[in-house]
Amino acid sequence: AQSVSQHNHHVILSEAASLELGCNYSYGGTVNLFWYVQYPGQHLQLLLKYFSGDPLVKGIKGFEAEFIKSKFSFNLRKPSVQWSDTAEYFCAVRGKGAGNNRKLIWGLGTSLAVNP
Amino acid sequence: EAGVTQFPSHSVIEKGQTVTLRCDPISGHDNLYWYRRVMGKEIKFLLHFVKESKQDESGMPNNRFLAERTGGTYSTLKVQPAELEDSGVYFCASSPGQGSNSPLHFGNGTRLTVT
Repeated sequence: AQSVSQHNHHVILSEAASLELGCNYSYGGTVNLFWYVQYPGQHLQLLLKYFSGDPLVKGIKGFEAEFIKSKFSFNLRKPSVQWSDTAEYFCAVRGKGAGNNRKLIWGLGTSLAVNP
Repeated sequence: EAGVTQFPSHSVIEKGQTVTLRCDPISGHDNLYWYRRVMGKEIKFLLHFVKESKQDESGMPNNRFLAERTGGTYSTLKVQPAELEDSGVYFCASSPGQGSNSPLHFGNGTRLTVT
């Protein structure tokens, strides 16, 4: 079955703390991987993505994620969070190649609250 | 460029009523997707249009849901009759290309509450 599992549903941090959000996926084939973020009152927006190449990808606002193929994982990290990082974070995968596989498979999301 | 817009932003209806959600994609984007997030669950794919054609509607829950994209521009998603379990946030997204590398641009979503 195709699925994405996010390990943490609610995370509360203080500013300057480090962040790591876990994401594992199950998919019968090769995938592209994504992290999306939804800030309060805003639309979902792409934080970063992995298609191929260097498994360590950097996104906007100092976020990065590492694809570990052997573990089917794509964890999101940020060394030092800010209050403005308060948002909901979603891990998602999409199959590569042709066919009816354009849909994104999503994790449950992680709500991050950063205290000033 | 203008982003993906969805209307209304919120809708509260009674069970058995009809609701129509609208999505205006970014101009020139042939691909349009509908997703839904029911409270406490993952965001789930509903369907995918390429221009006016339904490319994949495997995620549509049942025949109470009807999506259209006349002329390949904006899309509507009608729920008739609405049931309690239809409550959730309905997201629309568009993309210019069909490849798996093509980025999706999302609207703000429509929060539907069925009472």
